[in-house]
Amino acid sequence: GAGVSQSPSNKVTEKGKDVELRCDPISGHTALYWYRQSLGQGLEFLIYFQGNSAPDKSGLPSDRFSAERTGGSVSTLTIQRTQQEDSAVYLCASSLELVLAGGHHEQFFGPGTRLTVL
Amino acid sequence: GNSVTQMEGPVTLSEEAFLTINCTYTATGYPSLFWYVQYPGEGLQLLLKATKADDKGSNKGFEATYRKETTSFHLEKGSVQVSDSAVYFCALTSTPSLTFGTGTRLTIIP
Repeated sequence: GAGVSQSPSNKVTEKGKDVELRCDPISGHTALYWYRQSLGQGLEFLIYFQGNSAPDKSGLPSDRFSAERTGGSVSTLTIQRTQQEDSAVYLCASSLELVLAGGHHEQFFGPGTRLTVL
Repeated sequence: GNSVTQMEGPVTLSEEAFLTINCTYTATGYPSLFWYVQYPGEGLQLLLKATKADDKGSNKGFEATYRKETTSFHLEKGSVQVSDSAVYFCALTSTPSLTFGTGTRLTIIP
């Protein structure tokens, strides 16, 4: 069964290194979302995919962040030249269709990847 | 833009106490409203939702009513248990994503 899975669960890296975070959404879910949860703060929306397309990348914190989704399934979030302020829990979620106001579609969240940049 | 303001925590209660966690929102249009819960070491789970004004969402003894006139969606439970200890997030639809509050950490003491 299959819920949303993410890997790795924990990642410790040195400042300046690149990291790649992976998300496997629930099978059949067309929409996929990335959020960032920093210590003591709420969830910050980063980017969404409808199928393989990411129509709006303006939520990504800087041009060091990029994301892709292939085959309408797995997504990777890549952070280049990591900085200490990138340390956070990165959460992935998926939903059957895009979440719309007044709609019923629920976002299902993965367990997250805890990224620590030393 | 849309925003969610949640009661700041942490909140500590004794078992069987009455719980209220306040949530108010600012939004254009008519968003759907949600409460998500994050148990220790786990991911976020949907607790309950309401999609239009005056709807009441309920689950596991928790309730919240979508109040358009006060732009609120307060979470309540009549008698909390130790197993309810978690972080609770209020959220609303901000198509295409959700906008979350900062979360309220709840600890229930036996």
